[in-house]
Amino acid sequence: NAGVTQTPKFRVLKTGQSMTLLCAQDMNHEYMYWYRQDPGMGLRLIHYSVGEGTTAKGEVPDGYNVSRLKKQNFLLGLESAAPSQTSVYFCASSYSGIEQYFGPGTRLTVT
Amino acid sequence: AQKVTQAQTEISVVEKEDVTLDCVYETRDTTYYLFWYKQPPSGELVFLIRRNSFDEQNEISGRYSWNFQKSTSSFNFTITASQVVDSAVYFCALSGQQTSYDKVIFGPGTSLSVIP
Repeated sequence: NAGVTQTPKFRVLKTGQSMTLLCAQDMNHEYMYWYRQDPGMGLRLIHYSVGEGTTAKGEVPDGYNVSRLKKQNFLLGLESAAPSQTSVYFCASSYSGIEQYFGPGTRLTVT
Repeated sequence: AQKVTQAQTEISVVEKEDVTLDCVYETRDTTYYLFWYKQPPSGELVFLIRRNSFDEQNEISGRYSWNFQKSTSSFNFTITASQVVDSAVYFCALSGQQTSYDKVIFGPGTSLSVIP
């Protein structure tokens, strides 16, 4: 039982490049989330999903897209990376939407 | 609107001292949940506790205790006899009816350093 896993763990992008972060959970959770963590700002919700095939915007959705084609996977895409998207990205999942289980994080640097 | 405030940005204590991390929240919901998470230097987020708005009993778990007071909208976290392993960033968080319980609002975090 791996819980929540994130791929990759680290990534360096150049401005304008695109990439996809993968989050996978094996707990059969309905709810999945993508957050970014920046110094002094806590975690801010980017997008979330309340079930397979559904997505919704969070607090800071601009510049990101997501997809939830399978219940166990939640993908976060950056179409044209910008230095402001340098951050640590956390994925989380939840059975009820209340208690969340987090992945180990992905450290992204955009130069 | 919902908001979580952790006024203490950084705290340093000497090992074995007690320390309290403050959390003040704002919500118009009558039913809501409060959480504390720990983020050690390794980076992962570890769930510590969840309380619902109908349960104001204080909770103790080993050296950790939580004081929930609806009258002051606070959910403070105390570590007794702190240890170096307690060094981490601690986040207070809130989930409620306004967000359909789908989303959790995190505070900015308090960085705790326990000095040996």
